[in-house]
Amino acid sequence: GDSVTQMEGPVTLSEEAFLTINCTYTATGYPSLFWYVQYPGEGLQLLLKATKADDKGSNKGFEATYRKETTSFHLEKGSVQVSDSAVYFCALSSNTGKLIFGQGTTLQVKP
Amino acid sequence: DTGVSQNPRHKITKRGQNVTFRCDPISEHNRLYWYRQTLGQGPEFLTYFQNEAQLEKSRLLSDRFSAERPKGSFSTLEIQRTEQGDSAMYLCASSLGDPPSEQYFGPGTRLTVT
Repeated sequence: GDSVTQMEGPVTLSEEAFLTINCTYTATGYPSLFWYVQYPGEGLQLLLKATKADDKGSNKGFEATYRKETTSFHLEKGSVQVSDSAVYFCALSSNTGKLIFGQGTTLQVKP
Repeated sequence: DTGVSQNPRHKITKRGQNVTFRCDPISEHNRLYWYRQTLGQGPEFLTYFQNEAQLEKSRLLSDRFSAERPKGSFSTLEIQRTEQGDSAMYLCASSLGDPPSEQYFGPGTRLTVT
């Protein structure tokens, strides 16, 4: 069945460092891909999405490109801030719309 | 629009008791999803509705679990004869359209079974 695999955390970075969180997927068909973020004590929020191959999703300085050839959707940010500390989830959407999530990657940014 | 709301936010119950959670989606969203999230894991799909019809159920949803969405508005998720393994965060999300657009999540109901 469809699945999502994320790099294990936690990821600890200093402020202004470059961030990459790897995400690969297995799916039949052509799913949409998402990154969701969960800040401490808050609910899941959509960070960005891409609906077809080679699409780039971007928001709040974060970017991810839908790579069909490598079945990947890696999350990147050029300069992280302390306020980016959160848990990040990669997900794909099946044709019924249900989301299949990775296990999450905790990011801790230190000043 | 105030977003997706869930009640209660926290529920502590004793093993063997029944519990019911409620989800109010964003108005006019035709799809409503339930997920379960355990500590350190990503959310896992349980079931979804398109309007009032329940169209898919995960094999995670044992016969102790039942969900309804009367009149295609709010939804309830009931767990009968709770077990300690049911302790988790139960998340509700809604979306609009077909094919569905992105899902908006509620804050979740944290269930603790003692």
